[in-house]
Amino acid sequence: AQKITQTQPGMFVQEKEAVTLDCTYDTSDPSYGLFWYKQPSSGEMIFLIYQGSYDQQNATEGRYSLNFQKARKSANLVISASQLGDSAMYFCAMREAQNTDKLIFGTGTRLQVFP
Amino acid sequence: EPEVTQTPSHQVTQMGQEVILRCVPISNHLYFYWYRQILGQKVEFLVSFYNNEISEKSEIFDDQFSVERPDGSNFTLKIRSTKLEDSAMYFCASSVRRSDTDTQYFGPGTRLTVL
Repeated sequence: AQKITQTQPGMFVQEKEAVTLDCTYDTSDPSYGLFWYKQPSSGEMIFLIYQGSYDQQNATEGRYSLNFQKARKSANLVISASQLGDSAMYFCAMREAQNTDKLIFGTGTRLQVFP
Repeated sequence: EPEVTQTPSHQVTQMGQEVILRCVPISNHLYFYWYRQILGQKVEFLVSFYNNEISEKSEIFDDQFSVERPDGSNFTLKIRSTKLEDSAMYFCASSVRRSDTDTQYFGPGTRLTVL
């Protein structure tokens, strides 16, 4: 079973609009972290935002916020006021607490922002 | 802001040759990682390293791979005898702690092309 599922291979959004990128996860570990990374066409992986499984509030970082619904096992990224520079691949990732170092990534969503 | 650096940005090699990919993690970070991303696919964990030892490795990280911290700043990934299927983007990452709450910061990647 996939641990991280991103069902949207591609999304389009108009500049200045908000967009939600979906991510669902699967784990039996009670403690875990959820991360979103941005990968522009140049290839680097840029950390955007983190949500801990025990966090009571949704994480926010500037124009990025995370809509964390623990019971549904979803951690959707919301980008407000989209900019042309937001066009990139976006990856959701999870790290479980128990005896593992690795981040598990989803397949990514390609976001294209148009004027 | 401190960042992970990687050299070279692009490496082209012949099948069967050895390659060494280099990384300089963020200076106060203690945990180091290598991931790879085959073109168009998701990011996959290879190995984690702490206190001069491999902490965890994936099935991909077989005997042809090795990692080393030759000095206080560099962290290297060696592929002994490259295969065509080793062509990928290789990312180095580092984190302060080994925790599900701790962010792994990625370098810009080395694109390895095996001919």
